[in-house]
Amino acid sequence: EPEVTQTPSHQVTQMGQEVILRCVPISNHLYFYWYRQILGQKVEFLVSFYNNEISEKSEIFDDQFSVERPDGSNFTLKIRSTKLEDSAMYFCASTSGRVWQPQHFGDGTRLSIL
Amino acid sequence: SQELEQSPQSLIVQEGKNLTINCTSSKTLYGLYWYKQKYGEGLIFLMMLQKGGEEKSHEKITAKLDEKKQQSSLHITASQPSHAGIYLCGGFSGGGADGLTFGKGTHLIIQP
Repeated sequence: EPEVTQTPSHQVTQMGQEVILRCVPISNHLYFYWYRQILGQKVEFLVSFYNNEISEKSEIFDDQFSVERPDGSNFTLKIRSTKLEDSAMYFCASTSGRVWQPQHFGDGTRLSIL
Repeated sequence: SQELEQSPQSLIVQEGKNLTINCTSSKTLYGLYWYKQKYGEGLIFLMMLQKGGEEKSHEKITAKLDEKKQQSSLHITASQPSHAGIYLCGGFSGGGADGLTFGKGTHLIIQP
């Protein structure tokens, strides 16, 4: 069964550094998402992406964050000037349709900011 | 903004027993999704409900959405150790929103 793939599984970064989290969505999917889950808290929506542009973003997704689909398969989340509070599990998801299709999630990247 | 409340927060059930997890939305839902998460891992899609009064089943898991589309329940029959994990409800209430809002999750432990 097709899967959403995320790399790396664990990323350790010094505070202030930039980090790029990578995702390969399911191949025929058109809508892509990033979510984060701080330890012990809810899964929170960050951003959705469709047709090479941001479709929706939450209040969390400020100027520190950016997303890109650099080629036909990868979907990336860049976090600039990381802060301690950026430590979380980051999930990528994709769906073939916007509303009436399930979002399929990857296994996540655990980001630890030191 | 939309809020999803799940109850109970945690549940310990003896293997073979039935259980129910509830999810209540502060707004009418366009769609309600149930996911299962193992600790430290990704979310596995279980079921999606769209219509008021809808009910879906897969193996021993049944999910229902009420007529007003603000409450959903997930029922597991004859629980097994493989059912252990965190169950999350996620939904969106429309208005152009396509990012899911999730509940805090219900931690399910199955005792042998």
